[in-house]
Amino acid sequence: GENVEQHPSTLSVQEGDSAVIKCTYSDSASNYFPWYKQELGKGPQLIIDIRSNVGEKKDQRIAVTLNKTAKHFSLHITETQPEDSAVYFCAARRGNFNKFYFGSGTKLNVKP
Amino acid sequence: SAVISQKPSRDICQRGTSLTIQCQVDSQVTMMFWYRQQPGQSLTLIATANQGSEATYESGFVIDKFPISRPNLTFSTLTVSNMSPEDSSIYLCSVGALGRADNEQFFGPGTRLTVL
Repeated sequence: GENVEQHPSTLSVQEGDSAVIKCTYSDSASNYFPWYKQELGKGPQLIIDIRSNVGEKKDQRIAVTLNKTAKHFSLHITETQPEDSAVYFCAARRGNFNKFYFGSGTKLNVKP
Repeated sequence: SAVISQKPSRDICQRGTSLTIQCQVDSQVTMMFWYRQQPGQSLTLIATANQGSEATYESGFVIDKFPISRPNLTFSTLTVSNMSPEDSSIYLCSVGALGRADNEQFFGPGTRLTVL
């Protein structure tokens, strides 16, 4: 089955700096890659996703890049703010209606 | 995106008892999922629940321990049976978006369970 690895496990940045979280996957047939943000005491919230026919997607301060050849994808957050502090999870899915495989999570701390 | 609610939001239970968690969605969805998230850990899929069919359980999870109902396209329940302290976790309901083939997946707020 699929194996998703996520790095780093913790990331501390100064407010206004950029943050990058990386994930690798093992199944070359995976074609959908979402990112979730989980704040303390809440359920995961979908913040951005990318499909395998696209190399990059951007939504205001967040962007996701996908390298299918290397089988890795990354979340980029620019101009970080304290409210960006949360745990971020990447995931991969092969085909439609199939299960998601989640990374182990990255705890992002943005220092004011 | 779908609006998902879960009840209860949290509970403290005694070992040996059972707890039923409810998941309600504001629109009809084809696929509903139940996850477990142990403290500080990632999300682990327990089972997939489709309306009109038996739930499909992942390796390590069995129906006797985690019975699931899916009576219609907007509601599901997960029961945690004969609980032990190891069952202390966050239990999350998730749905595929509105039956689209290339569906995103959205999560409810979770049920925080502590077993004493």
